[in-house]
Amino acid sequence: KAGVTQTPRYLIKTRGQQVTLSCSPISGHRSVSWYQQTPGQGLQFLFEYFSETQRNKGNFPGRFSGRQFSNSRSEMNVSTLELGDSALYLCASSLEVIGAWYFGPGTRLTVT
Amino acid sequence: QKEVEQDPGPLSVPEGAIVSLNCTYSNSAFQYFMWYRQYSRKGPELLMYTYSSGNKEDGRFTAQVDKSSKYISLFIRDSQPSDSATYLCAMSANNDMRFGAGTRLTVKP
Repeated sequence: KAGVTQTPRYLIKTRGQQVTLSCSPISGHRSVSWYQQTPGQGLQFLFEYFSETQRNKGNFPGRFSGRQFSNSRSEMNVSTLELGDSALYLCASSLEVIGAWYFGPGTRLTVT
Repeated sequence: QKEVEQDPGPLSVPEGAIVSLNCTYSNSAFQYFMWYRQYSRKGPELLMYTYSSGNKEDGRFTAQVDKSSKYISLFIRDSQPSDSATYLCAMSANNDMRFGAGTRLTVKP
């Protein structure tokens, strides 16, 4: 069974631009969550989706948004990029709403 | 005080050593406990998953959960250079997941 896939793997953007990241969960998984990982802050929870509904949201500004489609694929969007948004963005999927999460390889975003 | 505390290390051990990694937590509602391994520039990989207190063994890895002490551990027996990575503890309750900061482990040949 294929794992969680994320596209693109690497991205370079300039301040003020916006970006959309994509995540395809493991087949059959209906829960998808997003995390931001930086050396200083570690893994920080962004949001979680289950059956196209956002069930949980972390403490990030409104510039960070996401959605989930009927096929469980998910996208996250960051508008008006700031230098501090440079990070590894990780998507994870789970078969159950509470349980083990399986991570994708991440999208490394660099904002210049 | 953070909800999940994990010593970031770094931890360096010789090949063949037994490695002990630990996390403490403050939220007694946590029910699911996980350990992830993350190699440099990769996503975290699920190593162990346990529910409630007790031990779980998988090959060279043993996970322990002590809910009364709010303490979880991961033991790696016969450590190998390929075990060199960052190990993250994680725990969840009610759709809410929390991660430790991660412990960077180096196993020297």
